Amino acid sequence: DQQVKQNSPSLSVQEGRISILNCDYTNSMFDYFLWYKKYPAEGPTFLISISSIKDKNEDGRFTVFLNKSAKHLSLHIVPSQPGDSAVYFCAASARGAGSYQLTFGKGTKLSVIP
Amino acid sequence: NAGVMQNPRHLVRRRGQEARLRCSPMKGHSHVYWYRQLPEEGLKFMVYLQKENIIDESGMPKERFSAEFPKEGPSILRIQQVVRGDSAAYFCASSPDRELNSPLHFGNGTRLTVT
Repeated sequence: DQQVKQNSPSLSVQEGRISILNCDYTNSMFDYFLWYKKYPAEGPTFLISISSIKDKNEDGRFTVFLNKSAKHLSLHIVPSQPGDSAVYFCAASARGAGSYQLTFGKGTKLSVIP
Repeated sequence: NAGVMQNPRHLVRRRGQEARLRCSPMKGHSHVYWYRQLPEEGLKFMVYLQKENIIDESGMPKERFSAEFPKEGPSILRIQQVVRGDSAAYFCASSPDRELNSPLHFGNGTRLTVT
């Protein structure tokens, strides 16, 4: 039972264009969402997060949008750069005793073509 | 300012042997988490420890797996009598506290291969 789903295993985007990575979740107890970026042979690196009390959070070229009614979030990268090529993981947590437990999606491999 | 350090980076074990994975958290971090990533999967929570205490091991398999975080030294994830299904990347993360605004900082992982 996958509670966090990233339905696109891969995505290719031209340099300078927008990259949109999508994530769906099923657990209505999730109230905090994060995106991690992972290069091969490295650990995941925190990118950006959003609390369920917000619908948008922006940090430089990265913006995360949250649609709670649809249980959907997306990560926008504008403009995309070749160095953004990596696997992006969506993760979620629920407030409470297990709030440190992140539930990860399977990841989307982004390739930014120069 | 070293990040989360994991060793070894790669570990090969034959079926039935023991695997010991080490994790030193970031300086100033007293909370350690272990996650496992099976091939083609996302990371899955295994265990959460503070110094000398296991706080939550709900993600750990009931048998053969154990974890500790002693007063001195790194956190250890121990897998006894390894089987092929244990082959995975094991990531350690740390944080200064349990607050949600303290995102986890991950190490580069230990890739365990069981032959």
